[in-house]
Amino acid sequence: AQRVTQPEKLLSVFKGAPVELKCNYSYSGSPELFWYVQYSRQRLQLLLRHISRESIKGFTADLNKGETSFHLKKPFAQEEDSAMYYCALLGTSYGKLTFGQGTILTVHP
Amino acid sequence: DGGITQSPKYLFRKEGQNVTLSCEQNLNHDAMYWYRQDPGQGLRLIYYSQIVNDFQKGDIAEGYSVSREKKESFPLTVTSAQKNPTAFYLCASIESGRDNYGYTFGSGTRLTVV
Repeated sequence: AQRVTQPEKLLSVFKGAPVELKCNYSYSGSPELFWYVQYSRQRLQLLLRHISRESIKGFTADLNKGETSFHLKKPFAQEEDSAMYYCALLGTSYGKLTFGQGTILTVHP
Repeated sequence: DGGITQSPKYLFRKEGQNVTLSCEQNLNHDAMYWYRQDPGQGLRLIYYSQIVNDFQKGDIAEGYSVSREKKESFPLTVTSAQKNPTAFYLCASIESGRDNYGYTFGSGTRLTVV
């Protein structure tokens, strides 16, 4: 069975502070992992995917197979980063994504 | 505006009624999905369809039904058997074989039982 866990429901930081949103997964195969973001009044959208190893809006995420983690990081948070963030794992078949519970990030001025 | 269109945005249902949520995509994607979003529970998969005229139950299919008569359309019916239907419903699609590019999501339908 595949499972994604985001241990923090809420995360608050001040502008300019580093931020890390935690994501742990359970999966027997080789995982494909994603971070999705939902800004206020906008639709859920892909933020980044681990295979591309890219940085989007200053965010990065490294897949750590030893720790089964895919934490999302940004060195200097901005107020516009305030949103709901979901970590998701792609299973072996049918493009089925399993989502974590989500973390609401609030960046204070 | 290409992408996925969900309608209506808000839907109110009386106890014992069936309601149908619309999901249409013009992306020529093969696979489509319905998720339910509840506070503190993330997104849970209701049904999915990889090709026309075929669909599979997800993790929480009880009380729901779907059809996939056309590639671009994947309506979800919330039946009276669904015990707690009040939620935010999201439709998504993906191009088969390009799964690792992620889903495209609709803007959602908020269903409230009155």
